Amino acid sequence: GQQVMQIPQYQHVQEGEDFTTYCNSSTTLSNIQWYKQRPGGHPVFLIQLVKSGEVKKQKRLTFQFGEAKKNSSLHITATQTTDVGTYFCAGETYNNNDMRFGAGTRLTVKP
Amino acid sequence: DAGVIQSPRHEVTEMGQEVTLRCKPISGHNSLFWYRQTMMRGLELLIYFNNNVPIDDSGMPEDRFSAKMPNASFSTLKIQPSEPRDSAVYFCASSFVQWTDTQYFGPGTRLTVL
Repeated sequence: GQQVMQIPQYQHVQEGEDFTTYCNSSTTLSNIQWYKQRPGGHPVFLIQLVKSGEVKKQKRLTFQFGEAKKNSSLHITATQTTDVGTYFCAGETYNNNDMRFGAGTRLTVKP
Repeated sequence: DAGVIQSPRHEVTEMGQEVTLRCKPISGHNSLFWYRQTMMRGLELLIYFNNNVPIDDSGMPEDRFSAKMPNASFSTLKIQPSEPRDSAVYFCASSFVQWTDTQYFGPGTRLTVL
């Protein structure tokens, strides 16, 4: 079946440093969604990307969708302790209308 | 809007017992999902309903697991008999039309099987 791979699995940064998580698919995606799960919480929708090469920003967060629509990234500039959590991507394929979550990247931020 | 409601929030049971988890999706949402999350396996989709009909149950681990959606405002996930390896957080999520729309997750049920 379709695989959505996410790296890294863990990332520990000093507050103020940047952070990036990557999502890769073996097949072309029709869209990709990003979710954030705080420790002890539930996944919360952040954004959806649909167009090839699309870039969207939410304050310090920048989301990109690759030109081939097979990969995506989430970049956080100048991390804060409030950014702590696990970031998931979820991709939908064209052919079987299947959407699967990546394994997530767990971010910890040291004050 | 109250969001997706799940009950109970925590459940501790003994191996062999039946466990029933409940979910009330957001009013007006037509799709409902059950997920299981563990440290080892991450977030796994168990089953997906659209308009109360099960569409994809390929993620249901085995016959011990069953899910129903008798109406648009209620769903259950049942484990019978439960086993220690079923210990996990079970999330219910709903979306407006189909499973590729934004999914709104409930707070989850933390299940511990002793």
